[in-house]
Amino acid sequence: QSVLTQPPSVSGAPGQRVIISCTGTSTNIGAGFDVHWYQQLPGRAPRLLIYGHTNRPSGVPERFSASTSGTSASLAITGLQAEDEADYYCQSNDIKETGLRVFGGGTRLTVL
Amino acid sequence: EAQLLESGGALVQPGGTLKLSCEASGFPFSSFAMSWVRQAQGKGLEWVSSISGRGGTIYYAGSVKGRFTISRDNSKNTLYLQMNNLRPEDTAMYFCANTGNYGSLDSWGQGTLVTVSS
Repeated sequence: QSVLTQPPSVSGAPGQRVIISCTGTSTNIGAGFDVHWYQQLPGRAPRLLIYGHTNRPSGVPERFSASTSGTSASLAITGLQAEDEADYYCQSNDIKETGLRVFGGGTRLTVL
Repeated sequence: EAQLLESGGALVQPGGTLKLSCEASGFPFSSFAMSWVRQAQGKGLEWVSSISGRGGTIYYAGSVKGRFTISRDNSKNTLYLQMNNLRPEDTAMYFCANTGNYGSLDSWGQGTLVTVSS
């Protein structure tokens, strides 16, 4: 059972927009900790997609955006492409223990 | 560009020990906190441990506290994870990652596989 809750799967057709939610509590996202997002292509290591709620590292397309409000965060992908098919994870910290990093369970994105 | 290369994964019996290494290049290693994250086959990501740039601050997940020890040798640009009293549930791919200013895990290695089984 992951500390952050994500839908197991989402899907969309090429060109469409999808949103992946990440629900936390008052001890993690709601406590003001930064939220980060990672993309994991099949058989590959995770890759940082979004850091500090909304920031894209260099090389990440503008099609990827994210936001945080209250105890939840969301990742939006516009103009879906076949290469976006991957697992997506949100991550934050939790005040239950100093230094504790917590992940969402991951969301499998299928491009139809 | 940051590069991280893990090694040391193996098949080990329950109760056994193993030491993982993560060799870093392409960035000022001693200036960055580092972390280990694991992923069991077909499962999600689980944070394991983090260490500050100089090694003075260390954190562990509850599931490994008292059994795993994270350390680093900045003269060798290498991160380590000493794993003792291994359990079957420790079976996973272990990734190392460097930590950015926002606390994100910025660059990841390709992982090294640890299998705990008799």
